[in-house]
Amino acid sequence: SAVISQKPSRDICQRGTSLTIQCQVDSQVTMMFWYRQQPGQSLTLIATANQGSEATYESGFVIDKFPISRPNLTFSTLTVSNMSPEDSSIYLCSVAIAGALGTQYFGPGTRLLVL
Amino acid sequence: GIQVEQSPPDLILQEGANSTLRCNFSDSVNNLQWFHQNPWGQLINLFYIPSGTKQNGRLSATTVATERYSLLYISSSQTTDSGVYFCAGGMNSGYSTLTFGKGTMLLVSP
Repeated sequence: SAVISQKPSRDICQRGTSLTIQCQVDSQVTMMFWYRQQPGQSLTLIATANQGSEATYESGFVIDKFPISRPNLTFSTLTVSNMSPEDSSIYLCSVAIAGALGTQYFGPGTRLLVL
Repeated sequence: GIQVEQSPPDLILQEGANSTLRCNFSDSVNNLQWFHQNPWGQLINLFYIPSGTKQNGRLSATTVATERYSLLYISSSQTTDSGVYFCAGGMNSGYSTLTFGKGTMLLVSP
């Protein structure tokens, strides 16, 4: 498995501002993903974070709103830009590690409330 | 894209009871995983099971890939089993993006 940490664990933000969430893994991973979980809902994939290149976004998510960086194999950031109350969610990063048959492991999540 | 349907949506059990959760897929998947989200929000991977049967303690899972469904069995449930159980599927057997079902919310009462 992998130990995954996220910062911040929670935040309360004002509309119109931006928040950058960090995801750090204790070992080199092959793939990193970012998900959103709206209140009481399931998880929706935002994008796959690619090392050294632009992230691959899912339908309905765009780079201007959710810019993602992945400078190395163990670290990624997700920025939620120009926030509105509809962005209030839990944001989770997950990783797939080599030799783990594609199993995904999740970080503890970042709870975001936008006022 | 893949559609994932989970049943039942909610389940209430007395401690010690057994339960079966089901997951149906609209298309064949080569990557299928079960997760437990505890009441504090942490997602724990229970099984990677694109086919066959696996067991881990009181939990076991069976996937019938040809019929596009998977079952999660919880035996002798405990209060710590409470939370939401998600299944998720992807097209690639290795590193794959996943589509999640809406989950089954389980409450185990003492």
